[in-house]
Amino acid sequence: NAGVTQTPKFRVLKTGQSMTLLCAQDMNHEYMYWYRQDPGMGLRLIHYSVGEGTTAKGEVPDGYNVSRLKKQNFLLGLESAAPSQTSVYFCASSYLGSQETQYFGPGTRLLVL
Amino acid sequence: RKEVEQDPGPFNVPEGATVAFNCTYSNSASQSFFWYRQDCRKEPKLLMSVYSSGNEDGRFTAQLNRASQYISLLIRDSKLSDSATYLCVVNRGSNYQLIWGAGTKLIIKP
Repeated sequence: NAGVTQTPKFRVLKTGQSMTLLCAQDMNHEYMYWYRQDPGMGLRLIHYSVGEGTTAKGEVPDGYNVSRLKKQNFLLGLESAAPSQTSVYFCASSYLGSQETQYFGPGTRLLVL
Repeated sequence: RKEVEQDPGPFNVPEGATVAFNCTYSNSASQSFFWYRQDCRKEPKLLMSVYSSGNEDGRFTAQLNRASQYISLLIRDSKLSDSATYLCVVNRGSNYQLIWGAGTKLIIKP
């Protein structure tokens, strides 16, 4: 099993460009999450999904959109990238009713110039 | 004030020593607590849950003090491989959102 995978691993964007980060999990988890991690701060939840076709806002959703058309995939979109979105993005998934035990992907390092 | 606070460290500890660090949380309604471990430039991984009665897993012991609103992690007989950042995580229980501390960096020296 691959667990949770993320693509791309690293990306450089110019301000105003758009991109989509892809997360895939092969553990049949119901819940999926997108976080960002910045120096000196804890992981912050951007958006999450409790099942196929459902998404919800987390702590810092502005400037991001998500979609979960298939249970195994969770996409994070940046419509118009800003330097403040320079960060490391982690995707995670967990079983139904067990959101404390999250399995993370390897992360995507995004630099917005 | 952050809802979950940790000393960022680094804690520089000789191999074989015992090290402990705490994490404080401000929301008294917090229901469950966890320690995750994150190696440099890697993803976080669950280390252990923290129960009201404490929890021990090999060389690692986690304790919860609800009265003073902190959790602790103690590592005995530290190994070089214990070098990592330890993240404190709190579940308020009201939704799917976990609250993450910024982490305590531990460096074990030979």
